Amino acid sequence: GQNIDQPTEMTATEGAIVQINCTYQTSGFNGLFWYQQHAGEAPTFLSYNVLDGLEEKGRFSSFLSRSKGYSYLLLKELQMKDSASYLCAVRPLSNQKVTFGTGTKLQVIP
Amino acid sequence: DVKVTQSSRYLVKRTGEKVFLECVQDMDHENMFWYRQDPGLGLRLIYFSYDVKMKEKGDIPEGYSVSREKKERFSLILESASTNQTSMYLCASRSRGTDTQYFGPGTRLTVL
Repeated sequence: GQNIDQPTEMTATEGAIVQINCTYQTSGFNGLFWYQQHAGEAPTFLSYNVLDGLEEKGRFSSFLSRSKGYSYLLLKELQMKDSASYLCAVRPLSNQKVTFGTGTKLQVIP
Repeated sequence: DVKVTQSSRYLVKRTGEKVFLECVQDMDHENMFWYRQDPGLGLRLIYFSYDVKMKEKGDIPEGYSVSREKKERFSLILESASTNQTSMYLCASRSRGTDTQYFGPGTRLTVL
């Protein structure tokens, strides 16, 4: 099975940088997703990491260490609209089912 | 743009009623999924389908069934709704051979 752990809530200041961590234990591993979900809305895809290292997409970057079972999402130059829940999800090897963490609710304050 | 739509944003039903939640995607995706999302529990997979008329149980299938008669449509059925099925239900689809799931807007179901 899979076990995914991420902080429940975080608060950060507008313009700052925040790092949201995710650790996982899985019986097989293909890759790790990050999704953003605003309150009352559907999750939207941010990134999918398969290989170790950092992938950057504008203000958002995602890092993966397969050997450590660890990932983080880095948000730079925070904006108020970044207030949302951030979901970490793992796709096991050769399996269609993705397992989601419980999400980290990020609040950006002025 | 991928579009996944769900039949209702909000639904209120009574205990014991049969409930149908419909999901339609317009991108010819083979795989479709039904999740429920509850505070503190995250997204949990109920059922998924990887082709027409094919279905597989997810992690919490009890009390639910599904139907996939056409490729673009995946229905979730609550045979006899119970109060513990009050939740946000999210449908998603994915093209075979790719990794990203695209989600619908969700249906918030309340069972009284």
